Amino acid sequence: IAGITQAPTSQILAAGRRMTLRCTQDMRHNAMYWYRQDLGLGLRLIHYSNTAGTTGKGEVPDGYSVSRANTDDFPLTLASAVPSQTSVYFCASSATPGQGEAFFGQGTRLTVV
Amino acid sequence: QKEVEQNSGPLSVPEGAIASLNCTYSDRGSQSFFWYRQYSGKSPELIMFIYSNGDKEDGRFTAQLNKASQYVSLLIRDSQPSDSATYLCAVWGNSGGSNYKLTFGKGTLLTVNP
Repeated sequence: IAGITQAPTSQILAAGRRMTLRCTQDMRHNAMYWYRQDLGLGLRLIHYSNTAGTTGKGEVPDGYSVSRANTDDFPLTLASAVPSQTSVYFCASSATPGQGEAFFGQGTRLTVV
Repeated sequence: QKEVEQNSGPLSVPEGAIASLNCTYSDRGSQSFFWYRQYSGKSPELIMFIYSNGDKEDGRFTAQLNKASQYVSLLIRDSQPSDSATYLCAVWGNSGGSNYKLTFGKGTLLTVNP
């Protein structure tokens, strides 16, 4: 089934540890995005990539890094996790940057303790 | 100023009624507008998109866009308990060059009471 796959679905992480959230899409979409969703704050863009090999900062990029080595994969790394990074993380993709529907993965629930 | 604003809710309507969800946006250059539905614990799913001024109907859903007023709304006719969810308004914007981003409102929680 075509779509976006995120892993893990949930994780409890000790503060200070490094963590990579994985995201893979099989729709050959050019653009990919990472959002975090927090109660009362809605969905906020962390980083984006308009095409393989390029990335950009979103609204809340501090403490996160991304890479886009190929079209399909867009991992999000927390170099040294802090409790304020406890959130639900969604990866999304769209065929063309700035246009059309964005499709979402199932989300990763991350708790930093 | 938040770029996309939604009425805060929560919104509660009886089954069979019309639910009206509203959204305003700040970027006058925005051309594409979306309504997503998100059930609790699930990911957002697209239910409507609209690009031109006026109304767009799809089954029980109608999206309305007024670019002059920077306003987009979603009407749900004959509301059903299964429509109970958070509805997210989303707008494509460009902060310069190729810096596209899909900005979401905080969402409106809709409850349809049987």
